[in-house]
Amino acid sequence: DIVMTQSPDSLAVSLGERATIDCQSSQSVFYSSNNKNYLAWYQQKPGQPPKLLIYWASIRESGVPERFSGSGFGSDFTLTISGLQAEDVAVYYCQQYYSSWTFGQGTKVEIK
Amino acid sequence: EVQVLESGGGLVQPGGSLRLSCAASGFIFSSYAMNWVRQTPGKGLEWVSGISGDGDSTYYADSVKGRFTISRDNSKNTLYLQMNSLRVEDTAVYYCAKDPGDHPSWFDHWGQGTLVTVSS
Repeated sequence: DIVMTQSPDSLAVSLGERATIDCQSSQSVFYSSNNKNYLAWYQQKPGQPPKLLIYWASIRESGVPERFSGSGFGSDFTLTISGLQAEDVAVYYCQQYYSSWTFGQGTKVEIK
Repeated sequence: EVQVLESGGGLVQPGGSLRLSCAASGFIFSSYAMNWVRQTPGKGLEWVSGISGDGDSTYYADSVKGRFTISRDNSKNTLYLQMNSLRVEDTAVYYCAKDPGDHPSWFDHWGQGTLVTVSS
């Protein structure tokens, strides 16, 4: 199985500042035949199910605020929240769907 | 509006069985793959099983292969997970999650989850 490792496990960011979460896969999740990275990001708030934010590593799901962006290639990916809002407090997960389906361990984002 | 609603969770003894259901609405159910994903405080999110829109293709995590069976009834817009030989480590919140297409990939809509507790 492809192991997904996120860093850090938690971070505290001031309102309006940038939050950056990294996700590394144990092998590449890039498929050269269609030039796509098989990587998604989710947000989970307390007591709620996960919510899709990003797929194909950088495509924002409909309705997701523009302050959320995804980047990366191959085995190294980043979720950036530009201008943290109070409602962004949550746990964020990356997920690969290149080979079976596995998630990172999660990164908890709090307000400093 | 897309909605998926799980049911069937509860307390069961080790070695027992349970069947989860997921009622779907707001989309053409047969056109989309569906999945079960579970979550525990200790192990986080774990994909459990997936099924194609027509039900012909099924996928399982190694941890449940041979014990769990995923199925769907497209006439009833319902997804199922039959869980046999349950273990303590199967204790989790089980989510039903919809795919954006016919083959499992990412999960664009999730239910609220149903809690399964395996304990004597």
